[in-house]
Order: sequence, then C-alpha cells, then structure tokens
Amino acid sequence: AQTVTQSQPEMSVQEAETVTLSCTYDTSESDYYLFWYKQPPSRQMILVIRQEAYKQQNATENRFSVNFQKAAKSFSLKISDSQLGDAAMYFCAFTSGAGSYQLTFGKGTKLSVIP
Amino acid sequence: EAGVAQSPRYKIIEKRQSVAFWCNPISGHATLYWYQQILGQGPKLLIQFQNNGVVDDSQLPKDRFSAERLKGVDSTLKIQPAKLEDSAVYLCASSRQTTNEKLFFGSGTQLSVL
Repeated sequence: AQTVTQSQPEMSVQEAETVTLSCTYDTSESDYYLFWYKQPPSRQMILVIRQEAYKQQNATENRFSVNFQKAAKSFSLKISDSQLGDAAMYFCAFTSGAGSYQLTFGKGTKLSVIP
Repeated sequence: EAGVAQSPRYKIIEKRQSVAFWCNPISGHATLYWYQQILGQGPKLLIQFQNNGVVDDSQLPKDRFSAERLKGVDSTLKIQPAKLEDSAVYLCASSRQTTNEKLFFGSGTQLSVL
C-alpha cells in the first residue's frame, strides 16, 4: 500500500517571501502521479500542481513549483512571492499510474501568510 | 462549466440516526468518488463509481454506509445508523474518466454526530 507523509503540520511565511512544504511517499510502483492540493476554508480541494513520475523535469505552475526527487521519494512544493490568498491547508497526494485513479492523501500542512 | 454540487453543506444528527448526502457531478463526468475527511487528516476514499457501476468500495464500512449512483449521474451516500466517529467532511469528486484525468471536488458536507 502507498503512504504519503507530510511532516510539517503548520508553516508560516511572510507575504512576498518563499516557502517550501515537504512531502515524502512510499511505493513500490514505478508509474505514478503526485499532486499538491490546496484546501481553503470553503473546503473545496483545488489542484495546485501535478507531477508524472516518468518525467524528470520538475513541474511548475506560475508561482508554484515542485522539487521531485524520485530516488528519495520526496516531493516538495515551493511557493514563491507568497500572497494572502495562499493561506490554506495543503495536501500532498499520490495515485498509481495503473488501474483506477484513486488518490492517497497526506495529513496536510496548514500554511499561514503573514502580512 | 458548473462545478460539483453537494448538499447539504452542514448536518448535525444524534448517534444512531440516519443521514444522506447528495452529489451532482460535473456534466459528462463518468467517474464519481466519495471521500471522508476526518478533522486533522487528509481525505480517504470511500467508494468510486464508473457510470452507475461500483469500481471500488473496499474502504466503505458496509455495515452502516451505502451509496448509489442511479442512471450514472447523481449520487447519494447514506449512513445508518451513525456513530460518533462518523463526524467528518464528506467530499464528492468527479472526473471524465478513471485514469489520468483531473479530479474536480465539491465543497463537501460537514457532518457532526452528537
């Protein structure tokens, strides 16, 4: 079974600064996908960024980028130029590349942005 | 496009009562998921539908939970009887297909069992 671990229950960052959220995972599969989801107080999970395991290049989406270290099974999220609207719970998630598309989530990191 | 709709937004019940949650996925999305998110944890998959058939319900507590997706569109998740440990947010998500597709989530139903 796959597991996803987020070791930082809470993080804070000054507005306009950069913050990195950590995630490690455990799997015996070679084909899989990794995700970062944002959950604001509205509770709706919003996809921030996605990484295919077979791609060596790290994914980027505007101010969001990942550092994907496949051998170390590490998948961190970097948020640059943090904005007040970035404050939320962030969840790292994993899904196998084979079969059905079921997400396994970590426990989340609560990010606060300080004005 | 309209998002995934869920109702009610909040529900408070006494233990041993029954409760039902409703989900209307994005039009045209064949796959529908129900997740349970207990406070302080990430969402956990309860059941996955492909059209109106069940793909995986291995983590659904079948002695008290049931779910259906009639006509492959709307879905209902029911708990009967509810226990204190069922207090959680119940999230519905949908996607076009089962693999390699972005999931769209609803805003969930927050259930409190007293």
